[in-house]
Amino acid sequence: AQTVTQSQPEMSVQEAETVTLSCTYDTSESDYYLFWYKQPPSRQMILVIRQEAYKQQNATENRFSVNFQKAAKSFSLKISDSQLGDAAMYFCAYRSRNQAGTALIFGKGTTLSVSS
Amino acid sequence: DVKVTQSSRYLVKRTGEKVFLECVQDMDHENMFWYRQDPGLGLRLIYFSYDVKMKEKGDIPEGYSVSREKKERFSLILESASTNQTSMYLCASSRGTATSGEAFFGQGTRLTVV
Repeated sequence: AQTVTQSQPEMSVQEAETVTLSCTYDTSESDYYLFWYKQPPSRQMILVIRQEAYKQQNATENRFSVNFQKAAKSFSLKISDSQLGDAAMYFCAYRSRNQAGTALIFGKGTTLSVSS
Repeated sequence: DVKVTQSSRYLVKRTGEKVFLECVQDMDHENMFWYRQDPGLGLRLIYFSYDVKMKEKGDIPEGYSVSREKKERFSLILESASTNQTSMYLCASSRGTATSGEAFFGQGTRLTVV
């Protein structure tokens, strides 16, 4: 069975600085998706970034980028130029691409606080 | 805009009551999911459905059942609510994994069982 591990329950960063959130996963599959979701205090889960395992290039969305290391099964999220609105809980998630009906598997989350 | 709507944002029920949590999506998605979110435990999958009338157990199905009579609606049922089912419940939907794979979430239902 696949598992996702986020080893940092809490992280903090100052405005305008850069922070990296860690995620590792375990799978025997070769074709899958990895995601980072953000959950602000409003509780609405928002997709931050997506990576397809067959793509070697790291995904980037504005200030958010990932470091995808397939052999090491590592998928970290880097937030550059942090803003107060980035304060939230961040979840790393895995989803198999091999089957039509599979669910996302989530890590336990990292709470990010941003100070001014 | 993509939308997943959960019927209640907050709910308080008594122990032993039968509880229905409803979720509707307007994106014609094949897959729908129910997760439970607890502090320090992340999101845990209760049940998911990959087609109408089809369901699969997730990691923590005990004490729950689901119903999917129509493609757009996926209901979570607590047959006899207990205090240990006090939690945040999140519904999500997605297309099949041949496309983007991402899931879209509702706003969550915070259920308190007293």
